[in-house]
Order: sequence, then structure tokens, then C-alpha cells
Amino acid sequence: AQKITQTQPGMFVQEKEAVTLDCTYDTSDPSYGLFWYKQPSSGEMIFLIYQGSYDQQNATEGRYSLNFQKARKSANLVISASQLGDSAMYFCAMSRGSGNTGKLIFGQGTTLQVKP
Amino acid sequence: GAVVSQHPSWVICKSGTSVKIECRSLDFQATTMFWYRQFPKQSLMLMATSNEGSKATYEQGVEKDKFLINHASLTLSTLTVTSAHPEDSSFYICSASVPGMGGETQYFGPGTRLLVL
Repeated sequence: AQKITQTQPGMFVQEKEAVTLDCTYDTSDPSYGLFWYKQPSSGEMIFLIYQGSYDQQNATEGRYSLNFQKARKSANLVISASQLGDSAMYFCAMSRGSGNTGKLIFGQGTTLQVKP
Repeated sequence: GAVVSQHPSWVICKSGTSVKIECRSLDFQATTMFWYRQFPKQSLMLMATSNEGSKATYEQGVEKDKFLINHASLTLSTLTVTSAHPEDSSFYICSASVPGMGGETQYFGPGTRLLVL
């Protein structure tokens, strides 16, 4: 069975510093996708970054980068130069089933608080 | 960018009534949409897959007669919570993938908060 694990319920980071949010996954499928979403208090799910299992390079999107270590089955999110607006809940997710089915399973989430 | 809307954003209803939630893809067509439920401080759980022109497929443990899904067009899926009870109070959120982008990324609607009294 597929599983996503986020072991950090809450994290604090000083404004302008970098922070890493941990995510490990388990799957027997050779093809899968890994995602990070941000959920502010308003509830909307904001797509941040995507990594395909066959991608050779780590994904980057602006201040977000995904540290993909396939052998360790980890897909940590790195946010550089944290901003106050980054305070939110962050979810790691994986596409379910072989390849991309569109279905996602989510980790438990990590609440990030950025301190001024 | 891809935009998914939901209506209503908030709904309060009495126990025993039915509530309909709409999910629309505004600038693209979606043959498949997904419905998730999220309880406070918890993760999102997939409820069902909404397929345009055919029956929805439900995840294990989700009552299909209670959560009716209709995907009548390529831009609209509806979720009807029938005979709602207080335990159905939750945050319901839909998603859709954008064709032509490999289907990798799911774009989510803003969600609907349901409170059943």
C-alpha cells in the first residue's frame, strides 16, 4: 500500500531563513508523482511543486525546491528566504496507483510558522 | 493559470436536509474531478472520483448513496450530501487536472465548509 509520512506536526523558522519540511513515502509502483501543497488558514490548497519519479533533477520553483532522494524514499521541501506569508499548513502528497491517476494521498501535514 | 471554483464557500444546514456543492473548472475542461474531505487539523481524504458522463467511483468506506456525485458536463461536478447529519460537518474540496500538462498537477477549488446543526 502507498503511504506518505510527515513527521513534523509543527515547525518554526525565522523570517529570511531557510526551512526544510520532511516527507517520506512508500510505494511499490515504479511510476509516481510527488507534490507539495500549501494550505493557508483560508483553506485553499495551493500547488507549490511537483517531482516525477523518473525526473533526474530535483524540482525547483522560485523559493521552493524539492530534495528528492529516491533511494531513501524522501521528498523534502526546502523553502528559502522564508516570508511571513509562508506561515501555513504544508502537505506532501503522492499520486496513487501506477503512473498518474490523478488521485492523491496526503501526508498528515506540517504547520509552519514564520517568526518576524 | 488553471482555476477551479466551488460554490458555496460556506453552508449551514439543519440535520436531515440535503446540500449540493458545485465544483467548476473555469478555464479548462475536466473529464475527471476528485472530491476530498478534510476534518479540522487533519489531512485530506479522497472520497470519490467524478467521471464526466459516467458513474462516480467511490473510495472504500464512503457511502455512495449518501454522497451523490454528478458530472454532467466537462466543467461541472456536483456533490450532494443527502440527509446530512452533524458528523458530516467538514471541509469539502474538489480538484481537477489540466489536460495537456501531463495530468501531473491537481488544481484545487477553494473548498466548501459544511456545518450541519
